[in-house]
Parts: sequence; structure tokens; C-alpha cells
Amino acid sequence: DVKVTQSSRYLVKRTGEKVFLECVQDMDHENMFWYRQDPGLGLRLIYFSYDVKMKEKGDIPEGYSVSREKKERFSLILESASTNQTSMYLCASSRLGKNIQYFGAGTRLSVL
Amino acid sequence: ILNVEQSPQSLHVQEGDSTNFTCSFPSSNFYALHWYRWETAKSPEALFVMTLNGDEKKKGRISATLNTKEGYSYLYIKGSQPEDSATYLCAFYGGSQGNLIFGKGTKLSVKP
Repeated sequence: DVKVTQSSRYLVKRTGEKVFLECVQDMDHENMFWYRQDPGLGLRLIYFSYDVKMKEKGDIPEGYSVSREKKERFSLILESASTNQTSMYLCASSRLGKNIQYFGAGTRLSVL
Repeated sequence: ILNVEQSPQSLHVQEGDSTNFTCSFPSSNFYALHWYRWETAKSPEALFVMTLNGDEKKKGRISATLNTKEGYSYLYIKGSQPEDSATYLCAFYGGSQGNLIFGKGTKLSVKP
């Protein structure tokens, strides 16, 4: 079974802190994605990556950056957390050429 | 801007009721339509990936149909059970290195 693991289920941070959300997949997938999910807005794509050291902006990249130093790991970075980044964050991965995505369980981030 | 709409936003049914909900998507540049089930505190999981007009897929009591010419898909649940309670997401894939575009989901609650 494909496993996508997000490092934290719940996280509470203060405004201005630098926040790292980590995601690891164990199926050698080329593609990895970060989404956020907010009530009434659905899943919105923040950043994605098709390969190591490669990144592409999604629909809402402002205030975020990403890092993909190894194929299995995709990190989402909030350089200076703000209250409007309080949300559920979901990581996903997929094989190159196959668009079915496998998701982690999510990280619920609260920025106070 | 590509738009994927799901209706209704939420649905409350009694155990044993059959139910259905709708996903509408752009009818041009169609490549695939996905259905995911997202149970509370779990990862979203793929139910179906549909690619052909007229396609019908079934998994136990859940089935889905696809009309790519008019741009809609229906998800049916026969004899709903409390364990069917979840948010059901559909996602459109237009191919050509594009990404999945998600609808806002339909939240189903099944009362025992």
C-alpha cells in the first residue's frame, strides 16, 4: 500500500514563526503536492514538484515555499506564519504520468 | 479559469436511504475525472478514476457515471450506511501536465 506520512497531525504556532510541514512517501513517486483545505473553499493547490529539486507554483503560493531535496520528501515552509494560514494542510503524491493521487492524513495548523 | 462544481454541499440521510450527488466540470480538454472519499481524521482515498464517456464504475454499494460531452458525473450510494459518512470530492484532470482541479466536496452524513 502507498503510504504518505505527514509529520504532525496538529500544530500550533505563533504569528511570525517559521514553520516546516514535512511529508514523506514510500512508493518512489515522482510527483508530490501540497494543498490547503478551508471550509467552503475545497482543496487548493499551493505548490507541487515533478522531480527532486524541482518545484512549481500552484494556485495559492503566496506566503509559502517548498523544498524537495530527496525524492521521497517534500517540505512546505511558512517563512513567517500569519493567522490567515491557519488551515488543514494535505500532502499528496502520484506516479509520473498517472494522475491518481495518494494523500496523507493532513496537518491541522493553527497560527495564533 | 477551470471550475469544478459539486452539489449539494451537504446531505443528511437515514441509514438505508439511497442517495446521489453531482459533479460538473469543463467539457473541453477532458482527460479524467476522479472521485475521492475523505472520512474525518483520515486521508482522502481514491474511489474511481473515470476516463471514457458513458463509463460506469462500481465498488460495492457505490457507483459512478460519467458524461464527458455535457460535463457531469454522478455518484450513487445504494442503501447508505453510517460508515459512508464522509466528504466526497471530485477532481477534474485536463491532461497536458495540468493538475487535478478539485470541487468543494459533498459532505454526507448518514444517521443510524
